[in-house]
Parts: sequence; structure tokens; C-alpha cells
Amino acid sequence: EAGVAQSPRYKIIEKRQSVAFWCNPISGHATLYWYQQILGQGPKLLIQFQNNGVVDDSQLPKDRFSAERLKGVDSTLKIQPAKLEDSAVYLCASRKGAAGGGYEQYFGPGTRLTVT
Amino acid sequence: GENVEQHPSTLSVQEGDSAVIKCTYSDSASNYFPWYKQELGKGPQLIIDIRSNVGEKKDQRIAVTLNKTAKHFSLHITETQPEDSAVYFCAASRSGGGADGLTFGKGTHLIIQP
Repeated sequence: EAGVAQSPRYKIIEKRQSVAFWCNPISGHATLYWYQQILGQGPKLLIQFQNNGVVDDSQLPKDRFSAERLKGVDSTLKIQPAKLEDSAVYLCASRKGAAGGGYEQYFGPGTRLTVT
Repeated sequence: GENVEQHPSTLSVQEGDSAVIKCTYSDSASNYFPWYKQELGKGPQLIIDIRSNVGEKKDQRIAVTLNKTAKHFSLHITETQPEDSAVYFCAASRSGGGADGLTFGKGTHLIIQP
């Protein structure tokens, strides 16, 4: 079974530019999460989707961050405009979902963003 | 919201010895406690988890214990090997429906000395 796929793996941008990250979850997984991991810290939840609906975006900085999961499969996370403090690894995770699935979340390799 | 504290931040043990990492959580409604291993340049890998209706779970050299009353849980690794060197994260969530994102501790850098 293929794991969670993310691209790009690395991105370097200047502050005030925009950037987008892409995630393809494990096949059949209804729940998708985006986490932000700043160097030396644990991941922090940004947003949770159940199919194509948002379940929790309480920690998403909505003035600059946006995310969508239009067809309930792939998802994109966008930052516009980027700030220096957005430098982090952005992790995507997926879970089978409430219908017959367990609680386990599986993570992708992440996208390392550097804002200069 | 939930707050997870993790100790120690760095742990160095001799190969073959045991390692123990401890976490506490604040939200008594949390019911799911996974542990992740993260190697350099990779995403977190789930190594073991425990639900609130269980006190202990074991998988080969790895075990997790949960004390709901005290709101703390621990990871035990026995017979440590060089490949166990990594950063380990504990996490907690209210799982089973609705918002169930994980709240992570700050991580423990485990170093296995040959």
C-alpha cells in the first residue's frame, strides 16, 4: 500500500511571496490533516478535513493560510504572503476515517519550506 | 485545549540498555495516545499507540503504559539498538469522531551509544 505522498519536498521563497504544497493521502483514507513542524518542536495541527469538508481549522492563520480538498482526495495548502516565521516542515497525514477505521494517523515525508 | 509535556528532551543510553520517555497530558477527555519516531529528513512514523481503555500495550521491544488517573503515559524500549537512535514524539487526542487532531510533545532525542 502506497503511503502519503507530498510535493515538493523542498521549497525556498522570499518573504511576501506565495507558495503551495500538495498532498495525496493513502487510498481510501477519508480524513486528512495538515501539520506545521518548526525546527526542534513537535508537529502542530493546522487543519483537518473529513472527505472534502473542514472539521477543524481553529489553529490555521486564516489571514495568510488557506487549504482545500475539493474532491475529497488530494489537498493543497497555500501560504500568501509568506513570512519568515513560516519557515518549517509542512506535514500531511491521513486516517481511514470514522467508518470502520482505526485512530492511526499516517504521515507523509513533509515539505521543508525556507522563507528568506 | 490539550497540552502535552514530554521528558527528557535528550536521552543517551548504552546499546542494549533500556530507555524510558515520559509524557503528561492535561485534557481528561483525551482517549488516544500514539508514539512516533522521526528520523532526520523524514516524516513521523507511528511505532505504537494505546487507547484509554487499556493500561499497557507491548510490541516486541517496545511497550507503552498509561495512567489515566495521573494523566501520564510512557514509552519503554528494551534492548536498545543503534537503529533506535531518532527523535521520539508522544501525542494525545480525543479520537472517535469529529475534531481529532493530535497534540504533540516537544520530542525526545534518543541517542544509542555503541
